[in-house]
Amino acid sequence: DAGVIQSPRHEVTEMGQEVTLRCKPISGHDYLFWYRQTMMRGLELLIYFNNNVPIDDSGMPEDRFSAKMPNASFSTLKIQPSEPRDSAVYFCASSFQNREGGYGYTFGSGTRLTVV
Amino acid sequence: AQSVTQPDIHITVSEGASLELRCNYSYGATPYLFWYVQSPGQGLQLLLKYFSGDTLVQGIKGFEAEFKRSQSSFNLRKPSVHWSDAAEYFCAVGPNTGTASKLTFGTGTRLQVTL
Repeated sequence: DAGVIQSPRHEVTEMGQEVTLRCKPISGHDYLFWYRQTMMRGLELLIYFNNNVPIDDSGMPEDRFSAKMPNASFSTLKIQPSEPRDSAVYFCASSFQNREGGYGYTFGSGTRLTVV
Repeated sequence: AQSVTQPDIHITVSEGASLELRCNYSYGATPYLFWYVQSPGQGLQLLLKYFSGDTLVQGIKGFEAEFKRSQSSFNLRKPSVHWSDAAEYFCAVGPNTGTASKLTFGTGTRLQVTL
């Protein structure tokens, strides 16, 4: 299994531009999570999906952020317009759930976003 | 609300020495606890997790952690640290309700290993 695949690995964009981050979860995982990591705030959950449906988007900072999961193998996180304070590493993670109720996240390698 | 505290921001140990990283959690029910490791420029890798059963859990790379309900702690240990263990370590807590859900992470402990 290739694991959780995120693209691009690095993104540098100018303030005001639209940015789209992409994630391919592990096949068979029915949960998908978007996290943001910064030095100041650590790891913050932005949104998560179950079976392609958004369950909790309370961590999305503001209307400039949106996330979609059109099918079980693909999700996007979009920022429009981008601002310098959005600079961070964005992680996607997917999770299974077994019959005993256990679950486990697998993280992607992240997208390092720099907004100048 | 659930929360995780990792009181040590930075720890330095000598190679071959033992290691203990502290983690305290606040959670209203039985928690599901995790330790992750992050090397520079990489994503988070699962070291171990506690869901139920034996409170001493073994993980990868020779790590273990012990769940102590009375102390609301889930400390990570390794008897002999290797230079390659230098990384950032995150403790996380999630619901033990039978449904995969969001994890809350601590702020991390950065481990430096001296030769």
